[in-house]
Amino acid sequence: QSGLTQPLSASGTPGQRVTISCSGGSSNIGFNGVVWYRQLPGSAPKLLIYSDNKRPSGVPDRFSGSKSVTSASLAISGLQSEDEADYYCAAWDDSLNDWVFGGGTRLTVL
Amino acid sequence: QVQLQQWGAGLLKASETLSLTCAVHFGSLNNYYWSWIRQPPGKGLEWIGDISHSGSTQYKPSLKTRVTISLDTSNNQFSLKLSSVTAADTAVYFCARGQRFRRYGLDVWGPGTTVTVFS
Repeated sequence: QSGLTQPLSASGTPGQRVTISCSGGSSNIGFNGVVWYRQLPGSAPKLLIYSDNKRPSGVPDRFSGSKSVTSASLAISGLQSEDEADYYCAAWDDSLNDWVFGGGTRLTVL
Repeated sequence: QVQLQQWGAGLLKASETLSLTCAVHFGSLNNYYWSWIRQPPGKGLEWIGDISHSGSTQYKPSLKTRVTISLDTSNNQFSLKLSSVTAADTAVYFCARGQRFRRYGLDVWGPGTTVTVFS
Protein backbone atom coordinates (compact mmCIF):
# COMPACT_ATOMS: atom_id res chain seq x y z
CA GLN A 1 0.00 0.00 0.00
CA SER A 2 1.33 3.42 -0.96
CA GLY A 3 1.88 6.13 1.60
CA LEU A 4 3.17 9.66 1.45
CA THR A 5 6.91 10.35 1.46
CA GLN A 6 8.52 12.63 4.03
CA PRO A 7 12.14 13.07 5.10
CA LEU A 8 13.00 11.13 8.24
CA SER A 9 14.50 14.14 9.96
CA ALA A 10 14.88 17.90 9.84
CA SER A 11 16.65 20.38 12.07
CA GLY A 12 17.13 24.06 12.71
CA THR A 13 18.25 26.58 15.26
CA PRO A 14 15.96 28.82 17.31
CA GLY A 15 14.50 31.61 15.22
CA GLN A 16 15.26 29.87 11.96
CA ARG A 17 12.73 28.84 9.29
CA VAL A 18 12.47 25.16 8.38
CA THR A 19 10.40 23.33 5.82
CA ILE A 20 9.25 19.73 5.70
CA SER A 21 8.25 18.19 2.38
CA CYS A 22 5.60 15.60 1.63
CA SER A 23 5.25 13.80 -1.68
CA GLY A 24 2.21 11.86 -2.85
CA GLY A 25 0.21 11.09 -5.95
CA SER A 26 -2.72 12.14 -8.03
CA SER A 27 -5.24 10.11 -6.03
CA ASN A 28 -4.33 11.63 -2.68
CA ILE A 29 -2.52 14.96 -2.46
CA GLY A 30 -3.27 15.75 -6.08
CA PHE A 31 -7.00 15.34 -5.68
CA ASN A 32 -7.71 15.96 -2.01
CA GLY A 33 -6.38 18.39 0.52
CA VAL A 34 -3.29 17.64 2.56
CA VAL A 35 -3.28 17.96 6.35
CA TRP A 36 -0.39 18.20 8.77
CA TYR A 37 -0.18 16.96 12.36
CA ARG A 38 2.36 17.56 15.10
CA GLN A 39 2.96 14.87 17.70
CA LEU A 40 4.90 15.52 20.87
CA PRO A 41 6.44 12.47 22.60
CA GLY A 42 3.83 10.46 24.45
CA SER A 43 0.94 12.62 23.20
CA ALA A 44 -1.80 12.44 20.62
CA PRO A 45 -1.30 14.15 17.26
CA LYS A 46 -2.52 17.71 16.94
CA LEU A 47 -3.94 19.17 13.72
CA LEU A 48 -1.69 21.98 12.47
CA ILE A 49 -2.82 22.54 8.89
CA TYR A 50 -5.90 21.39 6.97
CA SER A 51 -7.03 21.76 3.39
CA ASP A 52 -3.45 22.40 2.24
CA ASN A 53 -2.85 25.73 3.91
CA LYS A 54 -5.48 26.55 6.54
CA ARG A 55 -4.76 26.80 10.24
CA PRO A 56 -7.26 25.69 12.90
CA SER A 57 -8.07 28.24 15.54
CA GLY A 58 -5.24 28.53 18.03
CA VAL A 59 -2.42 27.44 15.74
CA PRO A 60 0.16 30.24 15.47
CA ASP A 61 0.79 31.83 12.10
CA ARG A 62 4.39 30.63 12.37
CA PHE A 63 3.03 27.46 10.82
CA SER A 64 2.09 27.55 7.14
CA GLY A 65 1.28 24.98 4.50
CA SER A 66 1.49 24.90 0.73
CA LYS A 67 0.73 22.45 -2.05
CA SER A 68 1.81 22.09 -5.65
CA VAL A 69 0.18 19.34 -7.74
CA THR A 70 1.14 16.16 -5.82
CA SER A 71 3.56 17.59 -3.27
CA ALA A 72 3.12 19.66 -0.15
CA SER A 73 5.26 21.49 2.37
CA LEU A 74 4.98 22.59 5.95
CA ALA A 75 6.97 25.67 6.93
CA ILE A 76 7.76 26.67 10.49
CA SER A 77 9.21 30.12 11.00
CA GLY A 78 10.67 31.56 14.18
CA LEU A 79 11.64 28.07 15.32
CA GLN A 80 11.22 27.44 19.05
CA SER A 81 12.51 24.65 21.28
CA GLU A 82 8.95 23.47 21.87
CA ASP A 83 8.59 22.80 18.13
CA GLU A 84 10.76 19.73 18.60
CA ALA A 85 8.34 16.94 17.68
CA ASP A 86 7.28 14.50 14.98
CA TYR A 87 5.39 15.98 12.03
CA TYR A 88 3.08 13.93 9.82
CA CYS A 89 1.40 14.78 6.54
CA ALA A 90 -1.75 12.95 5.50
CA ALA A 91 -4.31 12.92 2.70
CA TRP A 92 -7.38 10.93 1.81
CA ASP A 93 -6.72 8.58 -1.09
CA ASP A 94 -9.65 8.15 -3.44
CA SER A 95 -8.19 5.06 -5.07
CA LEU A 96 -7.53 3.24 -1.82
CA ASN A 97 -10.52 4.66 0.11
CA ASP A 98 -8.10 5.15 2.93
CA TRP A 99 -6.20 7.88 4.74
CA VAL A 100 -2.53 7.72 3.72
CA PHE A 101 0.09 9.14 6.04
CA GLY A 102 3.68 10.11 5.62
CA GLY A 103 6.16 8.21 7.72
CA GLY A 104 6.77 11.25 9.91
CA THR A 105 9.60 13.76 10.18
CA ARG A 106 11.46 14.16 13.47
CA LEU A 107 12.25 17.87 13.90
CA THR A 108 15.20 18.69 16.12
CA VAL A 109 15.83 22.21 17.41
CA LEU A 110 19.60 22.55 17.81
CA GLN B 1 -14.32 22.59 23.92
CA VAL B 2 -14.96 19.05 22.75
CA GLN B 3 -12.95 16.39 24.55
CA LEU B 4 -12.62 12.68 23.85
CA GLN B 5 -12.18 10.15 26.62
CA GLN B 6 -11.27 6.60 25.65
CA TRP B 7 -10.91 3.32 27.48
CA GLY B 8 -10.66 -0.42 26.94
CA ALA B 9 -8.62 -3.51 27.69
CA GLY B 10 -4.90 -2.89 27.33
CA LEU B 11 -3.60 -6.46 27.38
CA LEU B 12 -4.94 -9.12 25.03
CA LYS B 13 -4.01 -12.63 24.12
CA ALA B 14 -3.59 -13.47 20.44
CA SER B 15 -6.89 -14.41 18.75
CA GLU B 16 -8.98 -12.36 21.20
CA THR B 17 -11.09 -9.34 20.24
CA LEU B 18 -9.88 -5.82 20.94
CA SER B 19 -12.62 -3.57 22.27
CA LEU B 20 -12.27 0.20 22.85
CA THR B 21 -14.78 2.94 23.53
CA CYS B 22 -14.52 6.70 23.04
CA ALA B 23 -16.87 9.13 24.78
CA VAL B 24 -17.54 12.60 23.38
CA HIS B 25 -17.70 15.28 26.09
CA PHE B 26 -18.91 18.87 25.62
CA GLY B 27 -20.06 18.15 22.10
CA SER B 28 -22.37 16.06 19.95
CA LEU B 29 -21.91 13.11 17.64
CA ASN B 30 -24.06 14.95 15.11
CA ASN B 31 -22.57 16.31 11.90
CA TYR B 32 -19.17 14.68 12.40
CA TYR B 33 -17.29 11.55 11.44
CA TRP B 34 -15.63 9.54 14.20
CA SER B 35 -12.36 7.77 13.51
CA TRP B 36 -10.02 5.26 15.02
CA ILE B 37 -6.28 5.50 14.28
CA ARG B 38 -3.42 3.44 15.64
CA GLN B 39 0.32 3.82 16.02
CA PRO B 40 2.55 0.75 16.51
CA PRO B 41 5.53 1.28 18.83
CA GLY B 42 8.09 3.57 17.21
CA LYS B 43 6.13 3.76 13.97
CA GLY B 44 3.77 6.10 12.15
CA LEU B 45 0.02 6.59 12.12
CA GLU B 46 -2.45 4.19 10.53
CA TRP B 47 -6.13 4.96 10.01
CA ILE B 48 -8.43 2.08 10.93
CA GLY B 49 -11.83 3.40 9.93
CA ASP B 50 -14.63 5.79 10.80
CA ILE B 51 -18.34 6.10 11.32
CA SER B 52 -20.61 9.00 10.44
CA HIS B 53 -23.18 10.53 12.74
CA SER B 54 -25.80 8.64 10.75
CA GLY B 55 -24.03 5.32 11.25
CA SER B 56 -22.39 4.72 7.88
CA THR B 57 -18.95 3.19 8.18
CA GLN B 58 -15.77 3.07 6.16
CA TYR B 59 -12.85 0.81 7.02
CA LYS B 60 -9.24 0.48 5.98
CA PRO B 61 -9.37 -2.17 3.24
CA SER B 62 -6.65 -4.35 4.77
CA LEU B 63 -8.51 -4.49 8.11
CA LYS B 64 -12.05 -4.57 6.82
CA THR B 65 -12.73 -8.23 7.61
CA ARG B 66 -11.79 -7.79 11.30
CA VAL B 67 -13.07 -4.29 12.15
CA THR B 68 -16.39 -3.05 13.44
CA ILE B 69 -17.02 0.55 14.45
CA SER B 70 -20.34 1.41 16.05
CA LEU B 71 -22.20 4.35 17.56
CA ASP B 72 -23.99 4.62 20.89
CA THR B 73 -25.96 7.81 20.50
CA SER B 74 -27.70 7.52 23.85
CA ASN B 75 -24.34 7.73 25.62
CA ASN B 76 -22.65 10.01 23.09
CA GLN B 77 -19.89 7.53 22.37
CA PHE B 78 -18.52 5.23 19.70
CA SER B 79 -16.61 1.98 19.79
CA LEU B 80 -14.03 -0.12 17.98
CA LYS B 81 -13.86 -3.87 17.82
CA LEU B 82 -10.96 -5.65 16.14
CA SER B 83 -11.19 -9.42 16.07
CA SER B 84 -8.54 -12.13 15.93
CA VAL B 85 -5.74 -9.88 17.10
CA THR B 86 -2.08 -10.75 16.67
CA ALA B 87 1.15 -9.17 17.87
CA ALA B 88 1.01 -6.94 14.79
CA ASP B 89 -2.02 -5.21 16.34
CA THR B 90 0.04 -4.00 19.30
CA ALA B 91 -0.20 -0.21 19.16
CA VAL B 92 -1.47 2.94 20.76
CA TYR B 93 -5.06 3.40 19.59
CA PHE B 94 -6.51 6.89 19.22
CA CYS B 95 -10.07 8.02 18.64
CA ALA B 96 -10.57 11.27 16.74
CA ARG B 97 -13.18 13.57 15.19
CA GLY B 98 -13.36 14.31 11.52
CA GLN B 99 -15.77 15.83 9.05
CA ARG B 100 -17.59 14.75 5.94
CA PHE B 101 -15.02 16.49 3.77
CA ARG B 102 -11.76 14.68 4.41
CA ARG B 103 -9.66 17.71 3.61
CA TYR B 104 -10.58 19.17 7.00
CA GLY B 105 -8.57 16.46 8.75
CA LEU B 106 -9.05 15.11 12.26
CA ASP B 107 -9.28 18.07 14.61
CA VAL B 108 -9.94 16.53 18.03
CA TRP B 109 -8.09 13.49 19.34
CA GLY B 110 -8.38 11.28 22.38
CA PRO B 111 -5.30 10.72 24.53
CA GLY B 112 -4.67 7.21 23.24
CA THR B 113 -4.92 3.73 24.73
CA THR B 114 -1.98 1.36 24.67
CA VAL B 115 -2.94 -2.14 23.56
CA THR B 116 -0.47 -4.99 23.83
CA VAL B 117 -1.12 -8.41 22.29
CA PHE B 118 0.81 -11.38 23.64
CA SER B 119 0.97 -14.95 22.50
